[in-house]
Amino acid sequence: AQSVAQPEDQVNVAEGNPLTVKCTYSVSGNPYLFWYVQYPNRGLQFLLKYITGDNLVKGSYGFEAEFNKSQTSFHLKKPSALVSDSALYFCAVRDDAKLTGGGNKLTFGTGTQLKVEL
Amino acid sequence: DGGITQSPKYLFRKEGQNVTLSCEQNLNHDAMYWYRQDPGQGLRLIYYSQIVNDFQKGDIAEGYSVSREKKESFPLTVTSAQKNPTAFYLCASSIGRDRGPTGELFFGEGSRLTVL
Repeated sequence: AQSVAQPEDQVNVAEGNPLTVKCTYSVSGNPYLFWYVQYPNRGLQFLLKYITGDNLVKGSYGFEAEFNKSQTSFHLKKPSALVSDSALYFCAVRDDAKLTGGGNKLTFGTGTQLKVEL
Repeated sequence: DGGITQSPKYLFRKEGQNVTLSCEQNLNHDAMYWYRQDPGQGLRLIYYSQIVNDFQKGDIAEGYSVSREKKESFPLTVTSAQKNPTAFYLCASSIGRDRGPTGELFFGEGSRLTVL
């Protein structure tokens, strides 16, 4: 079964410093990987996705993510954090080997709370 | 503006009552989903529908029901059989089946249900 792990419940970083939010996945085929952000009492907003091609994916608001097949990771990064980046971040995966018979489901991690302080 | 509208945003229910959460989209998406969010547990899939008049159970369907009579609408009923219904409910949609696996989900703003 496909799964996603976000090993850190919370990440704290000072404004202006680089940030990394970690994500590892497990699939039987090839992964389709996504990052979403959620502000309090709001829905999730799409940030970026990896389907195929370049391992470094650029997304919204200056975020990027690096796909590493050997480490089965898809860590979210930003070179310089802003206080306004403080939010809950979710990694999600689909397994391309399980797309038939209703397998077109996205599995989410448990989320990582990012706190950016002045 | 295209998007997904969920209503109501806040809902209170007495034990033993059924409630229905509305989800409407004008993105012309084929697929629609309902997720439940609880603190520290991420999002768990309740039901999903890839086409009108068809839907599938997700990972935690017990105590819930859905219908998909129109492409734009995917209401969720939380029945009295749901043991712990207090949660934040999120509706989402994604593009059609041929490109479905690579398409991201678009989410509504959520509905917070509290059982008194």
